[in-house]
Amino acid sequence: NAGVTQTPKFQVLKTGQSMTLQCAQDMNHNSMYWYRQDPGMGLRLIYYSASEGTTDKGEVPNGYNVSRLNKREFSLRLESAAPSQTSVYFCASSEAPWDRGGNEQFFGPGTRLTVL
Amino acid sequence: GESVGLHLPTLSVQEGDNSIINCAYSNSASDYFIWYKQESGKGPQFIIDIRSNMDKRQGQRVTVLLNKTVKHLSLQIAATQPGDSAVYFCAESFSGGYNKLIFGAGTRLAVHP
Repeated sequence: NAGVTQTPKFQVLKTGQSMTLQCAQDMNHNSMYWYRQDPGMGLRLIYYSASEGTTDKGEVPNGYNVSRLNKREFSLRLESAAPSQTSVYFCASSEAPWDRGGNEQFFGPGTRLTVL
Repeated sequence: GESVGLHLPTLSVQEGDNSIINCAYSNSASDYFIWYKQESGKGPQFIIDIRSNMDKRQGQRVTVLLNKTVKHLSLQIAATQPGDSAVYFCAESFSGGYNKLIFGAGTRLAVHP
């Protein structure tokens, strides 16, 4: 099992460009998440998908969109990148959401994004 | 690898000593807590969790203590090893708030031989 995989590992964008970060998990998990991590701060939730076919905003959703393509894949899109979106992005998955007895989240290796 | 945190508080310990990493959480309604370990260039890795109906839980070489009165969480690592060097995050969740893990800023653990 590869666990949670993310592509690309690194990306440099110019302000205004768009891109999609890809995430896939092979653990048959129902829930998937996107976080960003900035220096000196913990991870902050951007969007999550409790189950296939549903998505919801997290703590910092502005400037992002997501698509739960199927049970395995959850993508994060930046339509018009801004320097404030320079960060490390992590995708995670869990068997179930918290309110259904869900527990630990498994994280991917991250994507380091720089917006110039 | 990616810089996890440039100005994190750092705990320095000698190899073989016990480590205690502390965390203050924010929401008195939080009912689920997790400790994650993050090595440089990698995603966070689950260490141990605890629910609010418990005040202590033990794993392999790790113990988590929860004090709901003062909203405090601690992670104890026994016989700390060089491989324990990493940034440690606590996270809280409120089941009624549905799915949102709130992470602390993290503490860097440096283990010296």
